[in-house]
Amino acid sequence: AQSVAQPEDQVNVAEGNPLTVKCTYSVSGNPYLFWYVQYPNRGLQFLLKYITGDNLVKGSYGFEAEFNKSQTSFHLKKPSALVSDSALYFCAVRDRGEGDMRFGAGTRLTVKP
Amino acid sequence: NAGVTQTPKFRVLKTGQSMTLLCAQDMNHEYMYWYRQDPGMGLRLIHYSVGEGTTAKGEVPDGYNVSRLKKQNFLLGLESAAPSQTSVYFCASSYSPQGAFHEQYFGPGTRLTVT
Repeated sequence: AQSVAQPEDQVNVAEGNPLTVKCTYSVSGNPYLFWYVQYPNRGLQFLLKYITGDNLVKGSYGFEAEFNKSQTSFHLKKPSALVSDSALYFCAVRDRGEGDMRFGAGTRLTVKP
Repeated sequence: NAGVTQTPKFRVLKTGQSMTLLCAQDMNHEYMYWYRQDPGMGLRLIHYSVGEGTTAKGEVPDGYNVSRLKKQNFLLGLESAAPSQTSVYFCASSYSPQGAFHEQYFGPGTRLTVT
C-alpha cells in the first residue's frame, strides 16, 4: 500500500526567500505524485503532478517540484516566496496499479513580510 | 462551471442522529470521492465511486454509507452519528483513471460537529 510522509508540520520563510516543503513517499510500484494547496476554509486546489519524464515539474503560481526516485522524494519548491503563498500544503501519491490516492498530513507554510 | 459543490456547508448533529451530505459535480467526471480531514492527519478516504451505480470502501468507511444513483451526484450518509465523526468532509471528483494520473477537483467542504 502507498503512503506519504511530510516530515515538517510547519515551515516558516521570509518573503522573497526560496521555500521548500518536503515530501517522501512509499509505493510498491511506480508512483504518480501530486501537490495540493489549501487556503483557509477552502477545499484543496491542485498545484502540480509528476507522471513520467522530466524529474522537474512546474506548476501553478510559480511552484515546482523535483521527483527523486532514489530518495523517494517529491519536494515542493519556489524560488521567491510571497506572503500570499501562506497556506496548508498536501503531498499525495497514487500507485500506478491501484485506485486510492494517499495524502500526507500536510505542512503549514507561513511566509512573513 | 460550478465545479464541485457540497451541501450543507455546516451542520451540528446530536449523537445518534442521521444526515446525508450531498456532493454534485458538473464536469462529467467518472470518479467521485468522499474524504474526511482531521487536524494532523491529512485527508483520509471514506468511500469512492468509479461510476454511476458503483461504490467502494476507502481507508475509513465504518459508520458511513454512500450512494451514486446519478453520475453527477455522490451522497454520503451517517446513519447514527458519533462524536468521533466530527470532522470536515470533502468531496472530490476526477476523470476516469485509466488515467490514475488525473488530479482530483475538490468541493469547499462541510464542517460537521457531533455533540
